[in-house]
Amino acid sequence: GESVGLHLPTLSVQEGDNSIINCAYSNSASDYFIWYKQESGKGPQFIIDIRSNMDKRQGQRVTVLLNKTVKHLSLQIAATQPGDSAVYFCAERNNAGNMLTFGGGTRLMVKP
Amino acid sequence: EPEVTQTPSHQVTQMGQEVILRCVPISNHLYFYWYRQILGQKVEFLVSFYNNEISEKSEIFDDQFSVERPDGSNFTLKIRSTKLEDSAMYFCAIILGRINYGYTFGSGTRLTVV
Repeated sequence: GESVGLHLPTLSVQEGDNSIINCAYSNSASDYFIWYKQESGKGPQFIIDIRSNMDKRQGQRVTVLLNKTVKHLSLQIAATQPGDSAVYFCAERNNAGNMLTFGGGTRLMVKP
Repeated sequence: EPEVTQTPSHQVTQMGQEVILRCVPISNHLYFYWYRQILGQKVEFLVSFYNNEISEKSEIFDDQFSVERPDGSNFTLKIRSTKLEDSAMYFCAIILGRINYGYTFGSGTRLTVV
């Protein structure tokens, strides 16, 4: 079946550096993508989203890039801080419904 | 104040027992979702509930599961006869309806079946 997956399970970066978390998706019918941050013992927290008619969207310190040609999604975090340490999930929504399909998650570890 | 409150935060139950997980959104919503996350694994869709009816459900959502909105505000997930493999975090989610359509998740209920 179609699925969303992540290339790297763990990413370790130095405080202040930029982080890039990647996600591959295979459902070409997906029209909406979201990045979530999940801290230990908490629910997924919305970070940023992007619709399929866009290539890039920027938020505060975060940028999401969507490459529909290769079905790739990335999350860039500028000036990574210790508080950014968490597991990051990408999720996609199939345009036929409202359910989200999540990727497997990437753990971001920020070294002081 | 959180947009979505879930109770209880943690429930331990014996195998075969029924459990009811509750979700209370801060304001009135039409769309509700339940997701679960087995420890160390990804978040999985269970069911979506729109206008007091199930609109979508996954293969996980079998006859042991049911959802309802008994009093117009609380949104519940019931597992009739729990199995060990039902142990997971269960998250309720809503769509806030703002520009970004972001799905907002509750803090979850940790269900432990022993």
